[in-house]
Amino acid sequence: EDQVTQSPEALRLQEGESSSLNCSYTVSGLRGLFWYRQDPGKGPEFLFTLYSAGEEKEKERLKATLTKKESFLHITAPKPEDSATYLCAVQAWGVQAGTALIFGKGTTLSVSS
Amino acid sequence: DTAVSQTPKYLVTQMGNDKSIKCEQNLGHDTMYWYKQDSKKFLKIMFSYNNKELIINETVPNRFSPKSPDKAHLNLHINSLELGDSAVYFCASSQGTSGNYEQFFGPGTRLTVL
Repeated sequence: EDQVTQSPEALRLQEGESSSLNCSYTVSGLRGLFWYRQDPGKGPEFLFTLYSAGEEKEKERLKATLTKKESFLHITAPKPEDSATYLCAVQAWGVQAGTALIFGKGTTLSVSS
Repeated sequence: DTAVSQTPKYLVTQMGNDKSIKCEQNLGHDTMYWYKQDSKKFLKIMFSYNNKELIINETVPNRFSPKSPDKAHLNLHINSLELGDSAVYFCASSQGTSGNYEQFFGPGTRLTVL
């Protein structure tokens, strides 16, 4: 069964304290791995898509990397406005619901000043 | 301009009622989706709809029925609402099915069944 597991469930950081979020996946064939940010009461906001092992993408203080079994979202010198839930999702070949995303349960990040 | 919009944002209703949630996207996308986010914040696909082809997640009860009047709209109709249907429902859209296109999500509809 295709599965996405994110860790930790919750992460508390001080402003400026860099860290990483993990997303491990088990899929029959990976079409793409997606990172989203979700603020309370809002829909997920797209951050990155990664397609193949070794690929990296950056946006401001965020950097996403991909291996054959997992992805990391590195947060460098976070600020309070980075506080949100970060969701990892995969598209897999042969998924019954076509191109639908399979989500992990998310990591809730809290950054205090 | 809002890319993916949903109405209503909040929906409170009694068990046994029938209700609908509307979704519209102005991105010109070909594919639309409905996801359900439960109380533990876990997002799960319910339906995807592309060019009149509906792909249903087999775990979704047949009380849920998506209806697409045109490419820009995908509404969700729910019959005989149950307590367990309480959740946040998100509509999303993407450019197509032939590539790994990112999906854009609406703001969500919080459904509460009493």
